[in-house]
Amino acid sequence: KAGVTQTPRYLIKTRGQQVTLSCSPISGHRSVSWYQQTPGQGLQFLFEYFSETQRNKGNFPGRFSGRQFSNSRSEMNVSTLELGDSALYLCASSPAGTGPYEQYFGPGTRLTVT
Amino acid sequence: AQTVTQSQPEMSVQEAETVTLSCTYDTSENNYYLFWYKQPPSRQMILVIRQEAYKQQNATENRFSVNFQKAAKSFSLKISDSQLGDTAMYFCAFMNPLTYNNNDMRFGAGTRLTVKP
Repeated sequence: KAGVTQTPRYLIKTRGQQVTLSCSPISGHRSVSWYQQTPGQGLQFLFEYFSETQRNKGNFPGRFSGRQFSNSRSEMNVSTLELGDSALYLCASSPAGTGPYEQYFGPGTRLTVT
Repeated sequence: AQTVTQSQPEMSVQEAETVTLSCTYDTSENNYYLFWYKQPPSRQMILVIRQEAYKQQNATENRFSVNFQKAAKSFSLKISDSQLGDTAMYFCAFMNPLTYNNNDMRFGAGTRLTVKP
């Protein structure tokens, strides 16, 4: 089975721009979570989608949004980029159903805002 | 709110020796799940081991084992016979059963482990 894939792997944007990151979960996984990883704040939960619905959201401003498609692929969007948005953005997928299944992480998208 | 604390930002160990990484957490829940994830340099994060709070027996996966002390809210990871490939960032994570269907996993700040030859 192919793992979680994220595109692009690297991205450089300018302050004020917007960016869209993509995540393709493992086949059959219906839950996709997004995390922001920075040296100062560590791993922080952004949001989670299941069957095209956002089930939970972390403590991030409204500039951070996401969506999930019917094939479980997910995108996250950051509008009006700030320097502090520079980070590694990780996507993780897990199977459907009840119970805290382990999360399978993608390689991440490294976003640099200049 | 649940918090996860890893008090050791960096650690090192000689190859073949044993090292223990510390993790404490704070929760008022009785049932929850704890995880250790490994993030090698420039590589994907992978699950090392998981522990269900209602299970008293400590989880073990080959050279990796945990010391789960529920009353103390402590969840340390022991790596035996350390190998060079164990060099990585290690994250302790907590999942609240009230939100587990939402896959809201809380991570500690991480411990950077270096295995020296």
